[in-house]
Amino acid sequence: ETGVTQTPRHLVMGMTNKKSLKCEQHLGHNAMYWYKQSAKKPLELMFVYNFKEQTENNSVPSRFSPECPNSSHLFLHLHTLQPEDSALYLCASSQTFLGQGNANTGELFFGEGSRLTVL
Amino acid sequence: AQRVTQPEKLLSVFKGAPVELKCNYSYSGSPELFWYVQYSRQRLQLLLRHISRESIKGFTADLNKGETSFHLKKPFAQEEDSAMYYCALWLSADGLTFGKGTHLIIQP
Repeated sequence: ETGVTQTPRHLVMGMTNKKSLKCEQHLGHNAMYWYKQSAKKPLELMFVYNFKEQTENNSVPSRFSPECPNSSHLFLHLHTLQPEDSALYLCASSQTFLGQGNANTGELFFGEGSRLTVL
Repeated sequence: AQRVTQPEKLLSVFKGAPVELKCNYSYSGSPELFWYVQYSRQRLQLLLRHISRESIKGFTADLNKGETSFHLKKPFAQEEDSAMYYCALWLSADGLTFGKGTHLIIQP
């Protein structure tokens, strides 16, 4: 399979559950991202991993815990979420994160998203 | 502070009419700006970037530093252009920051 794949595509969970979202990219990229897409809000950057190292945590609550075991896989562990966390969670990858003026900078490849509903 | 502003939530034009999707940004340096598009039931994807100065699917976007704008234009809209369009600003420290998006509807 090519591109960026996210599983599960849909997830319904209670506030006390623990679940994980998975993202896998087959593009040979070295940067991976989690974005949150809610109704009436712009896409919000949550986490950035560059060469498996977390380089950005955009003030995300600790009930969201990312994990990047290697450059191809990214997880988002979910624990004691709130109903307002219901959203579409998008994973993306890019070739490089370093340096401005690079032709590849800013070109992100997105997955189809995981639609999360917290009851 | 919001760095990317797309003032129109929804834009509806007739097929064959010109299209202009507005985008303004807030950044004092040399910005790297992009337009992303999401067609119905498809994933978000890059449409064009200002550094390439290219035309994709008939769309162009010119960076105007004086007006801090990066409006997306197409002279003659087609029905297949109906989609959500997101303007985005790349900063090496912050990654890609998106605007709220504009839903473009092309009426037959």
